[in-house]
Amino acid sequence: ETGVTQSPTHLIKTRGQQVTLRCSSQSGHNTVSWYQQALGQGPQFIFQYYREEENGRGNFPPRFSGLQFPNYSSELNVNALELDDSALYLCASSPGKKVSTFGSGTRLTVV
Amino acid sequence: DQQVKQNSPSLSVQEGRISILNCDYTNSMFDYFLWYKKYPAEGPTFLISISSIKDKNEDGRFTVFLNKSAKHLSLHIVPSQPGDSAVYFCAARFNFGNEKLTFGTGTRLTIIP
Repeated sequence: ETGVTQSPTHLIKTRGQQVTLRCSSQSGHNTVSWYQQALGQGPQFIFQYYREEENGRGNFPPRFSGLQFPNYSSELNVNALELDDSALYLCASSPGKKVSTFGSGTRLTVV
Repeated sequence: DQQVKQNSPSLSVQEGRISILNCDYTNSMFDYFLWYKKYPAEGPTFLISISSIKDKNEDGRFTVFLNKSAKHLSLHIVPSQPGDSAVYFCAARFNFGNEKLTFGTGTRLTIIP
């Protein structure tokens, strides 16, 4: 069991650019969710993937998109970055309807 | 619309005493509640949970109480230890659909030695 690993840990991007964040889940964790945590706030649900299909989405625009792969890894893509996208992005995975295990997050700064 | 609220941004407690963290929710359809603990530069770590069919769940020094009629839950830590200093998030989930967690804004707990 290797836990949930996110990369990179920190990232600085310019407004208007695109970014891809990566997450590697534990074997057997077929459910992965992504959250955005702004400074001083709790994590906000972006979307969830179950067996490589999107399975629910929070109140985020379409420029936030994701992928889940058969090897239990996943990606969060954000296009046309805005200053307000600066936040900690958290990946969480679980083996179905169980308690989610979170990664340490990627700190994204948009300048 | 903040469906899960933690009204105390911070709390300081003497080592050895009881820490009580509170959480309120507005959506009566939530039926599973969780507490996560977060250290700086780390992701949230699951601490304890409770189903809506129970009013109490205990795990070692941690106890969660649920009052459905008041839509209120609390986390009790006793005795408090310096390693308990962290940000605590309350989260809620529906028992149907996906695994979406709705989080509160967190309470920073500081244990004073």
